[in-house]
Amino acid sequence: EVQLVESGGGLVQPGGSLKLSCAASGFTFSDSVMHWVRQASGRGLEWVGRIRSETYSYATTYAASVKGRFTISRDDSKNTAFLQMNSLKTEDTAVYYCTRQDSSGLYDYWGQGTLVTVSS
Amino acid sequence: DIQMTQSPSSLSASVGDRVTITCRASQNINSYLNWYQQKPGEAPKLLIYAASSLQSGVPSRFRGSGFGTDFTLTISSLQREDLATYYCQQSYSTRTFGQGTKVEIK
Repeated sequence: EVQLVESGGGLVQPGGSLKLSCAASGFTFSDSVMHWVRQASGRGLEWVGRIRSETYSYATTYAASVKGRFTISRDDSKNTAFLQMNSLKTEDTAVYYCTRQDSSGLYDYWGQGTLVTVSS
Repeated sequence: DIQMTQSPSSLSASVGDRVTITCRASQNINSYLNWYQQKPGEAPKLLIYAASSLQSGVPSRFRGSGFGTDFTLTISSLQREDLATYYCQQSYSTRTFGQGTKVEIK
């Protein structure tokens, strides 16, 4: 069974940094494309970015709203993906979900999310 | 970037009603279209993938259709437990979501 467990959320001041983790199990993590998606309270889902596998040189792609501030990485030896968030803004306040792209590429498996609050 | 336009943003229907939600992509995405159901406080749950394939365990009253740029999610007979927000998602190029449709029970 695919399991994704996010951690690292919390309260951070504007301009600060936070690093989220996504611990994966139940599938071959090293072969998988991993995404991050966020959802502000009462709002819709927003794709944040993705990281591909070693076969594709760990290539990353980001949404325009976070490009240059957020960095996605992974440690295949620990079956964990990361989201490093720098220069945080109040509008980055959201639940952040880690998702695993199915091997077919068609759909995703989701974690339960971790809440990030950016506030002074 | 591919934009997804979903409508309506909300609807209210009675138990037993047929409910239809539409999603339009800004360019051809073939069948790379998924539908998710999200209940308050929960992560999204996959209902339909590849435009029309029913995810295992999902009731057969949920049906997806469409190809190219225009897609539809139909709930053939609305049940109380279908109270939720529904999102379309394209998986043709990275990911984009529709704005969501909040379904309420009259």
